[in-house]
Amino acid sequence: EDKVVQSPLSLVVHEGDTVTLNCSYEVTNFRSLLWYKQEKKAPTFLFMLTSSGIEKKSGRLSSILDKKELFSILNITATQTGDSAIYLCAVEAIGQGAQKLVFGQGTRLTINP
Amino acid sequence: NAGVTQTPKFRILKIGQSMTLQCAQDMNHNYMYWYRQDPGMGLKLIYYSVGAGITDKGEVPNGYNVSRSTTEDFPLRLELAAPSQTSVYFCASSYKEGGPQHFGDGTRLSIL
Repeated sequence: EDKVVQSPLSLVVHEGDTVTLNCSYEVTNFRSLLWYKQEKKAPTFLFMLTSSGIEKKSGRLSSILDKKELFSILNITATQTGDSAIYLCAVEAIGQGAQKLVFGQGTRLTINP
Repeated sequence: NAGVTQTPKFRILKIGQSMTLQCAQDMNHNYMYWYRQDPGMGLKLIYYSVGAGITDKGEVPNGYNVSRSTTEDFPLRLELAAPSQTSVYFCASSYKEGGPQHFGDGTRLSIL
């Protein structure tokens, strides 16, 4: 059974700190790993990492994928209160006929001013 | 820029009632998905569709049904509501296999 585990489940830091969120996975025929940010409503897409793109960066956010050790990290530098959200990691397998994502439990990040 | 639209946003049902959660997308995406999210948990796939007329079960399909008569719409039906179906339901769509999914704002459903 495909499995995604995120850690920590909850994290509280001060504005300006740097945080690292972890995602480990077990999946047959890995295709991609995706990070989403979920505030009050819909999850919004952050990054997609594949065999051909194992490192992504957008502003203060960056992510890497280690296909050998089967994990990914999401890094946020100089955190702001607007970064407070649940961060979801999801993995997709090849050959499912659709993008059937398996999600982790999420990391609830709280940034205090 | 409507994207994925879900209705209603909130609903309270009594045990045994039925209802349909609506989902529509205007991005001409072939793939559509229904997830449920329980407190403190990630999203679990209920049903998905790769095109009009084609649907398939996900991880937790029991107690639900779907149909896909058009590219734009993908309604989810609960026939006999049970307390275990209290959850937040998200609809999503993607252009193709291997592309990021775009989510609606969710429907918060309580079964009492």
